[in-house]
Formats: sequence, structure tokens, C-alpha cells
Amino acid sequence: QQQVKQSPQSLIVQKGGISIINCAYENTAFDYFPWYQQFPGKGPALLIAIRPDVSEKKEGRFTISFNKSAKQFSLHIMDSQPGDSATYFCAASFGGTSYGKLTFGQGTILTVHP
Amino acid sequence: DAGITQSPRHKVTETGTPVTLRCHQTENHRYMYWYRQDPGHGLRLIHYSYGVKDTDKGEVSDGYSVSRSKTEDFLLTLESATSSQTSVYFCAISRGGNYGYTFGSGTRLTVV
Repeated sequence: QQQVKQSPQSLIVQKGGISIINCAYENTAFDYFPWYQQFPGKGPALLIAIRPDVSEKKEGRFTISFNKSAKQFSLHIMDSQPGDSATYFCAASFGGTSYGKLTFGQGTILTVHP
Repeated sequence: DAGITQSPRHKVTETGTPVTLRCHQTENHRYMYWYRQDPGHGLRLIHYSYGVKDTDKGEVSDGYSVSRSKTEDFLLTLESATSSQTSVYFCAISRGGNYGYTFGSGTRLTVV
């Protein structure tokens, strides 16, 4: 069962544009929503994360928007740069006895053209 | 990434042979995870560990086993490798709760 659905699978943006990646989840027990960035040949690295008690979190050019009622969250990359070209994964987890297990979306390959 | 290493980085093996991948951490984190990454599927959890000798199955555990005899080492074994297990395998560590993961650099496994 795919509990986190991510779209689009691939995205092409011009330099300076806004990149938007969306995720939807099913499990209302999820209470932690991170985004990971992965460059070719490397492991994913934590980019930014949000908890459901806030609707938005911004770190530099990266913003997470969170809609609890719709069970959706999205990553916005402002002023996209060629160096942002990477694969992005959304994920979700819940505390308690889950042992911190993350459920990942399918990934989005972002290409930013100069 | 600093604090977590995977070995080998690349491996080609024949169908039916056993294969063991190693994950080693120096962060003393309690939780360790093995994921596989395949196009269109994202990262899927194979097995995880919540302490020495404490392990459990993830969503794609068939054909895999794990062992954790020390805090720092988490081994993933493919008991009899099949072509469907050709993938990139990532180990991750975490302090647990909602602290997120630190991933290793991955092992690219090809089963021929």
C-alpha cells in the first residue's frame, strides 16, 4: 500500500522559475513530513521538514506548504538554480512505537535549465 | 555521509548466490534501516533495527534477512540473489522519533 503519493515524476524548470512538487498522504497518524534531496551517486539528504501544527515552513529558497485537512503537502523551490537539479523525495512518519520509520513518495526528478 | 558508511559500493553477483551488504555507523544511533531504491518506487523499507539484536520487517522483506550484533553494524543478506533484487541499497540511521534520517552513499547491486 502506497501511503505517500508524489507528483510529478519529473519536472523541468527554467533558471529563476518556481519548482513545485506535491505529495498526498493517507495515514492521519503521520506527524512528521520531511523532504529529501538526492544527487546522482549519493544518498538522500534531509532538506527541510515540517510538523502538522504549522501550515508553512521556509528555509532560504525552499518552502514547505502543509494542508492538514486535505492531507497534502508540497515543496516550493523559489528562484530555481541549475544546482537544484536532483531527485526530491517527500516522506512521512509518526512517533510513538513506529521506531521513526519513514514512508517515502516515489520521487521527482527536477531539471533546472540554465 | 560522515558517520555512516556502506560496503561494498558496487557489486555484481550471480543468481542464486548469497550476498551480504554492510552498514557501519559511528554516531551511536539506536535505529538503523535498509531501503532499496528503484525507479518509480522511490525508497522502500526492507528491514529495520531498533537496537542490538532487535530487528523487524519492512514492506519488501521477502528474500532478505538482517542482523545487528553491535550498535554500529547492520548487515543485510540476500539469501539467494535473484534478478529482481538488482537495485540500489541504502542504509540509514536515526535517533528515532521524528528526527529524520542520515543516509549512507548506497550500494549498487547487480544480479546477473
